[in-house]
Amino acid sequence: GAVVSQHPSWVICKSGTSVKIECRSLDFQATTMFWYRQFPKQSLMLMATSNEGSKATYEQGVEKDKFLINHASLTLSTLTVTSAHPEDSSFYICSAPPPSGRYNEQFFGPGTRLTVL
Amino acid sequence: AQSVAQPEDQVNVAEGNPLTVKCTYSVSGNPYLFWYVQYPNRGLQFLLKYITGDNLVKGSYGFEAEFNKSQTSFHLKKPSALVSDSALYFCAVRFPEAGTALIFGKGTTLSVSS
Repeated sequence: GAVVSQHPSWVICKSGTSVKIECRSLDFQATTMFWYRQFPKQSLMLMATSNEGSKATYEQGVEKDKFLINHASLTLSTLTVTSAHPEDSSFYICSAPPPSGRYNEQFFGPGTRLTVL
Repeated sequence: AQSVAQPEDQVNVAEGNPLTVKCTYSVSGNPYLFWYVQYPNRGLQFLLKYITGDNLVKGSYGFEAEFNKSQTSFHLKKPSALVSDSALYFCAVRFPEAGTALIFGKGTTLSVSS
């Protein structure tokens, strides 16, 4: 079945630095990928929709300049948290709909735990 | 506003007993409905979905869910709970238009005791 991977699985960084998170579809091409963030014991909140070959679409309240998204190829989307601060610490999860039909469920990556000190 | 509600933060059941995790939705039109499960520090695993057709859908690990349009509900059920079912469960909806993301409920923690 379709597999989505994320790298790294966890990262600790100092405040003010930037962190890049990769999301890859391993056995299918994804023209669209979604980025979510999840705070402890809370739901997943959609941050942005990543579109291959065009600009990402951000949800209301998400800072475009802080969360940079690049959908460089049909199998890779990256999320860069720029000038990270402790409040950016969260669990970031990406997902991609498989190509076999728009009605199918999305496949989720395993998530990336970001801790900003 | 479009939303998904999971009214229970936590559901506790004894192993072997039936379980129900509730979900109601408030969206216009005919959305697609999903259930996902999340284990600690892991991504989401798909359980089942309702797109159209039979209101009772069966999914992974013995779970099933019943779509009730009049009550706008999509409760997750399992006839006999296992300790290994203990996890965080999310109900989600998406709209039929291609390229749309999922809208998640806040999640319900299921705890199955032995």
